[in-house]
Amino acid sequence: QSVLTQAPSVSGAPGQRVTISCAGTSSNIGAGYAVHWYQQLPGTAPRLLIYANSNRPSGVPDRFSGSKSGTSASLAITGLQAEDEADYYCQSYDGSLSGSVFGGGTKLTVL
Amino acid sequence: QVQLQESGPGLVKPSGTLSLTCTVSGGSIISSDWWGWIRQPPGKALEWIGYIYFSGSTSYNPSLKSRVTMSVDTSKNQFSLNLSSVTALDTAVYYCARNPSGRANWFDPWGQGTLVTVSS
Repeated sequence: QSVLTQAPSVSGAPGQRVTISCAGTSSNIGAGYAVHWYQQLPGTAPRLLIYANSNRPSGVPDRFSGSKSGTSASLAITGLQAEDEADYYCQSYDGSLSGSVFGGGTKLTVL
Repeated sequence: QVQLQESGPGLVKPSGTLSLTCTVSGGSIISSDWWGWIRQPPGKALEWIGYIYFSGSTSYNPSLKSRVTMSVDTSKNQFSLNLSSVTALDTAVYYCARNPSGRANWFDPWGQGTLVTVSS
């Protein structure tokens, strides 16, 4: 059971906008720790997509955006493309565990 | 840019010890960064195992703490993971990754990952 909670799956048609949520608690996201997002294509290592809630590393399209509020965070993907089909994970830090925590992952299907 | 590469046996016997090494290239392990291990059982989510600083300071996942030991070799620009008393539940792809400038931060970059299977 992952510490951060994500919906197992989400889907959308090409060109549409989808959001992926990440729910935490008062010891991680709610405690003010930043949320980071990763994209994992099949058979590959996770790739950093968003860091510190809303920042994009160089090379990540501006179709990807992140936000955080209270004890949860969201990843939004606009203008869905076939190559966005992947697993998406959120990550934060938990002060009670003194370590990093991940969400259970959300599988994005592009219809 | 910094790159990481995991190495070690792909098959470990039950009750044995899993040992992996991560080699850092393109940068020094002696920095303000922490260096982490994350694993992913087949078809499942990512799980943080622990991190280590170049000084040898460590922080481990409480659920694995009794079985985990991490070490660093600054002369070789490497850090290592030992996981003892393994069972089939420890079968996973093991990744090493950099934790830039602090344990509360993100992981980037990641190694390509190495599959370790626990089986007799």
